[in-house]
Amino acid sequence: DGGITQSPKYLFRKEGQNVTLSCEQNLNHDAMYWYRQDPGQGLRLIYYSQIVNDFQKGDIAEGYSVSREKKESFPLTVTSAQKNPTAFYLCASSPRGQLGEKLFFGSGTQLSVL
Amino acid sequence: AQSVTQPDIHITVSEGASLELRCNYSYGATPYLFWYVQSPGQGLQLLLKYFSGDTLVQGIKGFEAEFKRSQSSFNLRKPSVHWSDAAEYFCAVVGNTGTASKLTFGTGTRLQVTL
Repeated sequence: DGGITQSPKYLFRKEGQNVTLSCEQNLNHDAMYWYRQDPGQGLRLIYYSQIVNDFQKGDIAEGYSVSREKKESFPLTVTSAQKNPTAFYLCASSPRGQLGEKLFFGSGTQLSVL
Repeated sequence: AQSVTQPDIHITVSEGASLELRCNYSYGATPYLFWYVQSPGQGLQLLLKYFSGDTLVQGIKGFEAEFKRSQSSFNLRKPSVHWSDAAEYFCAVVGNTGTASKLTFGTGTRLQVTL
């Protein structure tokens, strides 16, 4: 079945450590997104990519980095510069990143700080 | 800038009762509006969307929503709630000159269903 796979489901980060969240899709979608979800704050866009080897900052990009070397993969690195990383992270994709397209979401990664 | 307000953080309804979840948006022109549902620890699933045309939109799982320009609202409704509808519901908006990456989400309404 086609879909989006996020791994791991749960991740723990130590102080000063970088961690990378994986997102893979086999939907042949051009556009991919990373959202952060905090209780009571809805979803906020971190980064998005509309084509391989190109990505753009979203509303809360500070302390995060991404890469898009392959169409099907869009990993997110939470760097030590992100002082409050504990959150639920959702990856999504859409066919072309065009207006009104439906977003397909992965099942998320819960990141916690030790 | 566009924005979305979901005034109800938490709603509890009895199974079989009707449901209405409120969503108000702010955007200068006609927006594109969406409702998504999220089960605990999962991603979001699209329930329905409005772009233009008929202001009453039908979605999956028996949900519908009505776009009211005069009230800047896009409320989600269901005539008879099932226990499996317990989840968190998000309204989202994108301006009609934006792209999918410009989607703005509300803060969500958590629905609890009592048997």
